[in-house]
Amino acid sequence: AQSVTQLDSQVPVFEEAPVELRCNYSSSVSVYLFWYVQYPNQGLQLLLKYLSGSTLVKGINGFEAEFNKSQTSFHLRKPSVHISDTAEYFCAVSASGGGTSYGKLTFGQGTILTVHP
Amino acid sequence: EAGVTQSPTHLIKTRGQQATLRCSPISGHTSVYWYQQALGLGLQFLLWYDEGEERNRGNFPPRFSGRQFPNYSSELNVNALELEDSALYLCASGGPFSYEQYFGPGTRLTVT
Repeated sequence: AQSVTQLDSQVPVFEEAPVELRCNYSSSVSVYLFWYVQYPNQGLQLLLKYLSGSTLVKGINGFEAEFNKSQTSFHLRKPSVHISDTAEYFCAVSASGGGTSYGKLTFGQGTILTVHP
Repeated sequence: EAGVTQSPTHLIKTRGQQATLRCSPISGHTSVYWYQQALGLGLQFLLWYDEGEERNRGNFPPRFSGRQFPNYSSELNVNALELEDSALYLCASGGPFSYEQYFGPGTRLTVT
């Protein structure tokens, strides 16, 4: 089974400042990693994904994340945030093989990012 | 390209009734996934359908069921509704041999 821990439930930041949203995972098998964003009263939008290859992945809206296998982390970063980045962010994992966890995403509890002017 | 669509947007039911939620995947996607986002419980996996078959199921009682049609659209049925079934139900779709899931806007189910 997999589990995901998002270390901060809320992150306040000023506009144009850098931000890091932290995510740690636990799994007995290899995983794929994702970050999603949810704006109020909307569904989830895929920001970026790590499936294989380079551990630094770039996504939409200027976000990037780094996969660290030894620390089982997948932190999300943005060098300069905008007011429009205010939303809830979810880290998720999916087992890369078969078994009972196959096909499903396991999500963290979410981090609410609030960007202040 | 059209994204994942869900209907209805909002659904209000009384305890004990049945609810039916619908999802249309992105064109070319064969998998449909259902998730429940309840207040305080986070996002939890419900069901996965692929090529018309149920492939995996989360830790939910049997009164949560569904099906996938030949055109890959899907229905989620919740029988004998309970107050704690009130949540946002999200549908996602995925392509063949793909691990990425793309979400729809959700159906807000309220049980009174």
